Amino acid sequence: KAGVTQTPRYLIKTRGQQVTLSCSPISGHRSVSWYQQTPGQGLQFLFEYFSETQRNKGNFPGRFSGRQFSNSRSEMNVSTLELGDSALYLCASGPGQGQGEQYFGPGTRLTVT
Amino acid sequence: GDSVTQMEGPVTLSEEAFLTINCTYTATGYPSLFWYVQYPGEGLQLLLKATKADDKGSNKGFEATYRKETTSFHLEKGSVQVSDSAVYFCALSDPSGGYNKLIFGAGTRLAVHP
Repeated sequence: KAGVTQTPRYLIKTRGQQVTLSCSPISGHRSVSWYQQTPGQGLQFLFEYFSETQRNKGNFPGRFSGRQFSNSRSEMNVSTLELGDSALYLCASGPGQGQGEQYFGPGTRLTVT
Repeated sequence: GDSVTQMEGPVTLSEEAFLTINCTYTATGYPSLFWYVQYPGEGLQLLLKATKADDKGSNKGFEATYRKETTSFHLEKGSVQVSDSAVYFCALSDPSGGYNKLIFGAGTRLAVHP
């Protein structure tokens, strides 16, 4: 089975712009979660989608949003970028209800200048 | 709220040494526990897991036992290799709500020298 794929792998944006990141989960997985990884804050949960519905959200401002499509692919959007949004954004997919086991993609490295 | 605490790194070992990375957790429910590993420039790989008390997860020579009485999930390996050099993350999820939200520790960097 192919693993979780994320595009693009690297991105450079300017403050105030917006960005969209994409994630394709492992075939058959219906849960997709997003995490932000920074040296200062570590790994933080952003949100989880299951069957096109957001069912859990972390403590991030409304500038961070996401969605999931009927084929389980997911996108994450960040509007009005700030320097502090520079991070590695990781997508993870899981088999479904309540197991907690998740498989991560390689991440998208976002740099905001 | 739920949280995970890991020993600070870096941990520096010689090849074939014994490895222990401590992990303790705080949770209101009955969490599942995980160890993930991150190699430079890559995402996280699931190393092992345990879903209930006294379970032992194991993979690639690594093992960890879910200890409810001490709220711990320490990672061990009997003989490390240079290729084990990476950052190791302990994590928990509370499946009672049916959600897949992982809470991570800060990570422990391991450096193994020949």
